[in-house]
Amino acid sequence: DQQVKQNSPSLSVQEGRISILNCDYTNSMFDYFLWYKKYPAEGPTFLISISSIKDKNEDGRFTVFLNKSAKHLSLHIVPSQPGDSAVYFCAASVIGAGNMLTFGGGTRLMVKP
Amino acid sequence: DTGVSQNPRHKITKRGQNVTFRCDPISEHNRLYWYRQTLGQGPEFLTYFQNEAQLEKSRLLSDRFSAERPKGSFSTLEIQRTEQGDSAMYLCASSLGQIPDTQYFGPGTRLTVL
Repeated sequence: DQQVKQNSPSLSVQEGRISILNCDYTNSMFDYFLWYKKYPAEGPTFLISISSIKDKNEDGRFTVFLNKSAKHLSLHIVPSQPGDSAVYFCAASVIGAGNMLTFGGGTRLMVKP
Repeated sequence: DTGVSQNPRHKITKRGQNVTFRCDPISEHNRLYWYRQTLGQGPEFLTYFQNEAQLEKSRLLSDRFSAERPKGSFSTLEIQRTEQGDSAMYLCASSLGQIPDTQYFGPGTRLTVL
């Protein structure tokens, strides 16, 4: 059973516009969520996180929104830049229970100049 | 802070051989995690250590897999009698073990079993 899902395998956006990446989860025990960016032949790089006590967290061009009732989170990138082109993974964990991450399948973002 | 390092970066082996990977976490990080990623999928948790103690193992970790972190610093992951299905990227991550906690990943070791 896939507890974390990213239903869009790819997304193409024009440079300067907003990129919105979505993620759904099924396990209501999850209370900490993270987004990672991955370039080919590299490990995932941490981008931004949010705990379940918040519904929004911002860091520069990156904002993560959490809708607990819908078990849905999204990552907004504004403005999108060509260097943002990568695969983005959302991940979820249960705080205090080892913090093992459960990942979605990833969304490939392509930002066109 | 040199980040998480993993060696080797690539390993090609024949079916039935044993392989060992090494992970050096960020210094002062007391938690160390191993994940496996296959093509087109997200990383899957394998096991983790709090200092030298192995606290959790996934059911994905068959008895051919063993991991150690003898002195609470670097860790090794050994796969015995490799199978073609073991071909994957093996990722190591480390963290401070805070609440909440953020894991930082190494570049991974890509294993190809022929």
